[in-house]
Amino acid sequence: DTGVSQDPRHKITKRGQNVTFRCDPISEHNRLYWYRQTLGQGPEFLTYFQNEAQLEKSRLLSDRFSAERPKGSFSTLEIQRTEQGDSAMYLCASSRGGGVEYFGPGTRLTVT
Amino acid sequence: DQQVKQNSPSLSVQEGRISILNCDYTNSMFDYFLWYKKYPAEGPTFLISISSIKDKNEDGRFTVFLNKSAKHLSLHIVPSQPGDSAVYFCAASANRRNDMRFGAGTRLTVKP
Repeated sequence: DTGVSQDPRHKITKRGQNVTFRCDPISEHNRLYWYRQTLGQGPEFLTYFQNEAQLEKSRLLSDRFSAERPKGSFSTLEIQRTEQGDSAMYLCASSRGGGVEYFGPGTRLTVT
Repeated sequence: DQQVKQNSPSLSVQEGRISILNCDYTNSMFDYFLWYKKYPAEGPTFLISISSIKDKNEDGRFTVFLNKSAKHLSLHIVPSQPGDSAVYFCAASANRRNDMRFGAGTRLTVKP
């Protein structure tokens, strides 16, 4: 069990650029979640997958955001046409069924 | 919508004493509650959980108490240790739904 990993750990991009983050969940965890955390706040749910199916999306996930989990293993989160308001920590978590969610270290995005 | 609230942004206690972190929620549908601990530059780490069918759950130095009528839960750490210094998040979900709601966190400092 190597834990949830995320790549990159930090990303600085210019407004208007596209960015993509990757999450590798704990093996044998069938659920994968994406959260966003801004300064002074707790994580906010964005979306989750059960295997390769994206089953729920928050209203926070605008049309510029897309997430995939093509083979039910790793997942990617893409943000198109980034805005300064997208600057945040993006956290990935995984779980076995509806059990406890285990978080990765996060990807810190800074949009300049 | 702040359905989970941690009204104390920070708490400082002496090593060996009890730390009590509080959390209030507004959604009466919440039936599963968790506490996570977060160190800088790391993702949240699961600490302890409680189902609404219980009013207490204990794991070593950590005990979570749930008062459903008051919509309040608390985390007790006894005895507190300097390594417990971190940000603690309270989280809640309804029917094991996957859009867990987090509080804004309480920064605990345990002084030697």
